Amino acid sequence: DAGITQSPRHKVTETGTPVTLRCHQTENHRYMYWYRQDPGHGLRLIHYSYGVKDTDKGEVSDGYSVSRSKTEDFLLTLESATSSQTSVYFCAISESKTTYTGELFFGEGSRLTVL
Amino acid sequence: QQQVKQSPQSLIVQKGGISIINCAYENTAFDYFPWYQQFPGKGPALLIAIRPDVSEKKEGRFTISFNKSAKQFSLHIMDSQPGDSATYFCAASSSGGSQGNLIFGKGTKLSVKP
Repeated sequence: DAGITQSPRHKVTETGTPVTLRCHQTENHRYMYWYRQDPGHGLRLIHYSYGVKDTDKGEVSDGYSVSRSKTEDFLLTLESATSSQTSVYFCAISESKTTYTGELFFGEGSRLTVL
Repeated sequence: QQQVKQSPQSLIVQKGGISIINCAYENTAFDYFPWYQQFPGKGPALLIAIRPDVSEKKEGRFTISFNKSAKQFSLHIMDSQPGDSATYFCAASSSGGSQGNLIFGKGTKLSVKP
């Protein structure tokens, strides 16, 4: 299994509070991604990173920010959590930018509940 | 046009039977079609992938069939086993597309009954 650790694995918080999810990898892969998974929606990309301090928005980036100060860590922050952000969040990594030359490896997910 | 439509949403198959999951797309620029398998409580993992230069790719009991003219592709699981019970996602991306441009279907929950 790819060395990806997500923390926390489970979190319950209240509306309006800030939340940070952490993704830590030991594979030294350049590319890192945050997805959310919701019933009936599949996997949707939130943000991604092509390297340290190099990030970009995905399909559903509103209400989220990310930071990557080290190759191994990619943080996802909800500045002010809302109930619509209740979801399972997955971090993924890849050694390649393109789908042709490398696959995505996913972490085990972080389940966030916003009350 | 960026969507990948997956069906059925759920599927129940008897042990030893054939499981078939279908996906359709509109964007003719898509040319890489992976399938991901996800077990409960785990992240998705790449199962098998195909490019449109072939119409079929087989790996063990898993086969992708691709119909370029119909813009459809499907996953066939032969001799389905209870251990195959999982959620399956199809996906698509375009030539040289970044991993960030991988478009996922909404998933199919497969249950294989013993």
